[in-house]
Amino acid sequence: AQSVTQLGSHVSVSEGALVLLRCNYSSSVPPYLFWYVQYPNQGLQLLLKYTSAATLVKGINGFEAEFKKSETSFHLTKPSAHMSDAAEYFCAVSVNRGSTLGRLYFGRGTQLTVWP
Amino acid sequence: GAGVSQSPRYKVAKRGQDVALRCDPISGHVSLFWYQQALGQGPEFLTYFQNEAQLDKSGLPSDRFFAERPEGSVSTLKIQRTQQEDSAVYLCASSPMGQVAYEQYFGPGTRLTVT
Repeated sequence: AQSVTQLGSHVSVSEGALVLLRCNYSSSVPPYLFWYVQYPNQGLQLLLKYTSAATLVKGINGFEAEFKKSETSFHLTKPSAHMSDAAEYFCAVSVNRGSTLGRLYFGRGTQLTVWP
Repeated sequence: GAGVSQSPRYKVAKRGQDVALRCDPISGHVSLFWYQQALGQGPEFLTYFQNEAQLDKSGLPSDRFFAERPEGSVSTLKIQRTQQEDSAVYLCASSPMGQVAYEQYFGPGTRLTVT
């Protein structure tokens, strides 16, 4: 079975500071990993995804994430936070097996607050 | 271009009422997913369609939940005899192919409140 753990339901940073959102996954087969962002009253938007190519993945809005198999982690980072980054972030895993290809298993989310 | 749309955006139902939630996926997308997002939680899988075929309904919480996609495009999620625990945001997502690596495009969701 697949699962995702996001450490820290709330993260607060100052504008311009490093953003680090943590995600650990559990999967019995090679995973595909995703980070989504959700703004209030909106659907989820894909930030980036890991699909077994490069372990360092660059996404939109200056975000990136590194797949570390030994640590079963896929942490999301951004060197310098912007006020517009304030949102809820979800880490998700999927596997290439079974009848429901693409089914996503989500973490509980991390609410990012950016202070001026 | 047009994204995934869902209607209604908000629905208030009295306990015991039936509701129908609609999803219009991106045109031509083969795969369609429904997720349920309870307050303060991540989305949880409900069901999956590939074209008109419902290939996985293992996430539906009870037999009160029913989904269909009769012509392989628009999908409807129906909840019969709603209960308070059904209150959640229901998200629909579509994807161009039945491949795990493809991005899922999410709609804005329908917020269901059962009173």
